[in-house]
Amino acid sequence: QSALTQPPSASGSPGQSVTISCTGTSSDVGGSNYVSWYQQHPGKAPKLMIYEVSKRPSGVPDRFSGSKSGNTASLTVSGLQAADEADYYCSSHAGTKRVFGTGTKVTVL
Amino acid sequence: QVQLVESGGGVVQPGGSLRLSCAASGFTFSNFAIHWVRQAPGKGLEWVAAISSDGTNKYYADSVRGRFTVSRDDSSNSLFLQMNSLRAEDTAMYYCARDWGALFDYWGQGTLVTVSS
Repeated sequence: QSALTQPPSASGSPGQSVTISCTGTSSDVGGSNYVSWYQQHPGKAPKLMIYEVSKRPSGVPDRFSGSKSGNTASLTVSGLQAADEADYYCSSHAGTKRVFGTGTKVTVL
Repeated sequence: QVQLVESGGGVVQPGGSLRLSCAASGFTFSNFAIHWVRQAPGKGLEWVAAISSDGTNKYYADSVRGRFTVSRDDSSNSLFLQMNSLRAEDTAMYYCARDWGALFDYWGQGTLVTVSS
């Protein structure tokens, strides 16, 4: 099972928006509504930010939103803040397995 | 509150074995599937293995199948990962993560495994 494809980096100034893509196949992202996104700060464990493509867990700001079209899912962070600077990973079901994206480092300029 | 605490990491020679543990608390452990996810230094997340809530179904990444075995002991609220025939490429931080409806809602802080001679 190959990793889902994400851009290595993305950036934006405070207050701006950034969108990260996550491209898979019809066997994972395209065939599943169970796409989730995780935020990871250096030296920390990942934290769930979005699940089932577009749902936010309690406590996650509504500045974070998710969507999907075909084999590509997207995470948008609006109103960028310094605390949003982190690595972001998508994840999807792939049959009985799980697969993660390659990861995107978001930099707040 | 939900807690997952990994242990058992360390330095091991290529070809050696190691057994990781994940101690769970703050929830009914036997109701949840649990996963192992690893992250090589400076690299991305890689799903490793999973075990169903009743322990009957086990799933593995191709990269570890036949070498790693996942198990659980609900009496002690513990998850295990037996790792055999270790390779340099198995060097990583190993996290356990709770499965809640096709997502990982809680993660441990990880335990570091280094395979080196």
